[in-house]
Formats: sequence, C-alpha cells, structure tokens
Amino acid sequence: NAGVTQTPKFRVLKTGQSMTLLCAQDMNHEYMYWYRQDPGMGLRLIHYSVGEGTTAKGEVPDGYNVSRLKKQNFLLGLESAAPSQTSVYFCASSLSPRSGSYEQYFGPGTRLTVT
Amino acid sequence: LAKTTQPISMDSYEGQEVNITCSHNNIATNDYITWYQQFPSQGPRFIIQGYKTKVTNEVASLFIPADRKSSTLSLPRVSLSDTAVYYCLVGLYNFNKFYFGSGTKLNVKP
Repeated sequence: NAGVTQTPKFRVLKTGQSMTLLCAQDMNHEYMYWYRQDPGMGLRLIHYSVGEGTTAKGEVPDGYNVSRLKKQNFLLGLESAAPSQTSVYFCASSLSPRSGSYEQYFGPGTRLTVT
Repeated sequence: LAKTTQPISMDSYEGQEVNITCSHNNIATNDYITWYQQFPSQGPRFIIQGYKTKVTNEVASLFIPADRKSSTLSLPRVSLSDTAVYYCLVGLYNFNKFYFGSGTKLNVKP
C-alpha cells in the first residue's frame, strides 16, 4: 500500500496564478484533511472532508477551495495564489472516529512557494 | 478553542527517559488526546492516543490525570533518532476546537 500520496512535491507559482494539489489515499479512509505548516509552526487545518462529496472549512480556509469527488482523492485548489500562501501543505486521512481510532496518516507534503 | 500548551524545546541524552507535558485546560468531555512525531521535511506520524489514565504501546506511554487538563508523553530510553518535534493534539473530531499547536522540539544528545 502506498498510504497517502501527494502531487506535486514542489511548486513555484507567481502571484495570481492558480493550481491544484492532489492527495490520494489507498486505505479506504472516510476522513481526509488538508493542512498547511509555516516555518517553525504547527499544522493548521485548511479544509476537511468526512466522506465522498462532502467538505467543510477548517481553521484557515480563506483563499482555498477543495473537492472530494472520489473517496480516495481530495483536491486542494488555489484560485489566485498570494505570497502569504507560501507554505508546506500536508494531506492526511483517517478512519471515522466511530472506529475508535483517532490516528491520522499523513502524506509527504508539498512545498509551495509563491513569488 | 481547545488550545494546547507545550514546552518549546527540551534536551535529553541517549538512554534517558523523556517526559513531555501538554496542557489542555479546555478539553471537552468527548475529546481524545493524541500525540504525533514529526521529522524535518516529513509529515507527522501518529505515536499514541488516550482518553484517561495510562496508555502504553511499543514506543511510548501516555499519562492522563483524572481532570484531563494535561497529558504527559513518556519516551523510554531515547536514542538520537528520537530527535524530532512532538505535537499534542486535542479535540480531533470537534473541528471547531481543532488545534495542533507549535509542538515541542526534542533534541537528543549522544
């Protein structure tokens, strides 16, 4: 099993450009998450999804959109990139809390620089 | 918000036991406590979860007092490879109270 994979690993954008980050998981997890991590900081939740076709806002959702058309994929979009969105983006997935497990499985991250 | 407070950094030596305490005064009744480890340029990795009292697995123990306002991650006999940032996470599925915190940077010296 590949676990959680993220595409691309690195990207440089110019201000105003758009892009989509792809997250894929092969563990049949219901929950998926997008986080950002700024230098020396903890992770902050951007958006999350509790099932196919459903998404919700996290702590820092402004400037981002998400979609979960398939259970195994969770896409993060930046419509008009800004320098403040320079960060490392992590995707994660997990079982439902009803399973009794609160473990999130993280991808390797995407390092995004906006100039 | 169920914010957490942890020491910014800790130093230890190989072979010692390390205890990292996290304060979470606003923890809700249904909140579980989870701890993660993160190495540079990698995503966090789950270590342990607990609700109350003591939980132990093959890599760590988690101590939670009766009032649940704090928790302590215990790493037995650390090695150089345990040098990482450790995060305490509370309110995992109460998304309006979701907070990862800045973590504790553990530096293990030879």
